[in-house]
Amino acid sequence: DQQVKQNSPSLSVQEGRISILNCDYTNSMFDYFLWYKKYPAEGPTFLISISSIKDKNEDGRFTVFLNKSAKHLSLHIVPSQPGDSAVYFCAASRYRSGANNLFFGTGTRLTVIP
Amino acid sequence: DTAVSQTPKYLVTQMGNDKSIKCEQNLGHDTMYWYKQDSKKFLKIMFSYNNKELIINETVPNRFSPKSPDKAHLNLHINSLELGDSAVYFCASSQANQPQHFGDGTRLSIL
Repeated sequence: DQQVKQNSPSLSVQEGRISILNCDYTNSMFDYFLWYKKYPAEGPTFLISISSIKDKNEDGRFTVFLNKSAKHLSLHIVPSQPGDSAVYFCAASRYRSGANNLFFGTGTRLTVIP
Repeated sequence: DTAVSQTPKYLVTQMGNDKSIKCEQNLGHDTMYWYKQDSKKFLKIMFSYNNKELIINETVPNRFSPKSPDKAHLNLHINSLELGDSAVYFCASSQANQPQHFGDGTRLSIL
């Protein structure tokens, strides 16, 4: 029973354009959402997060949007750079309930074409 | 300085054997975790330890046993390895309600 879903396994974008990665979740108890970036043969690296009390969080070229009513979040990368090419995982948690474990999506492989 | 380190990076072994994977974090975090990434690339929580107490066990077979000698270490012991145990195992750590930091994974292959 997968509670976090990333329905696009891959995405290709031209350098300089915007990359939009999407994520859907089913558990309304999730209150904290994260994006991780993963290169081959390395562990996931934390990128950006958002609490359920917000609908947007921005950090440099990365912005995460949360739509609680639709149980949907997205990661925008602008402008995209070749070094952004990696697998991006969406994750969710119930931090306010004291549960720290993360539920991950299956990832989206982003390729930024120079 | 490696924040979360796992050893070994690769582990190839026969079915039925017992093996261990070690994890150490130098971040001073209170909680450590083990995740399994299966062949479909799905990352799933196995265990977490907070101040040497198990606080989550996501119905993992009892052939898997986490052992934490101290706050900076969480080792994973696996008995009677099965073909289905082949996966990449990731260790992670975090401070309460903060993002988790991951190690680079241990690729376990069962022959």
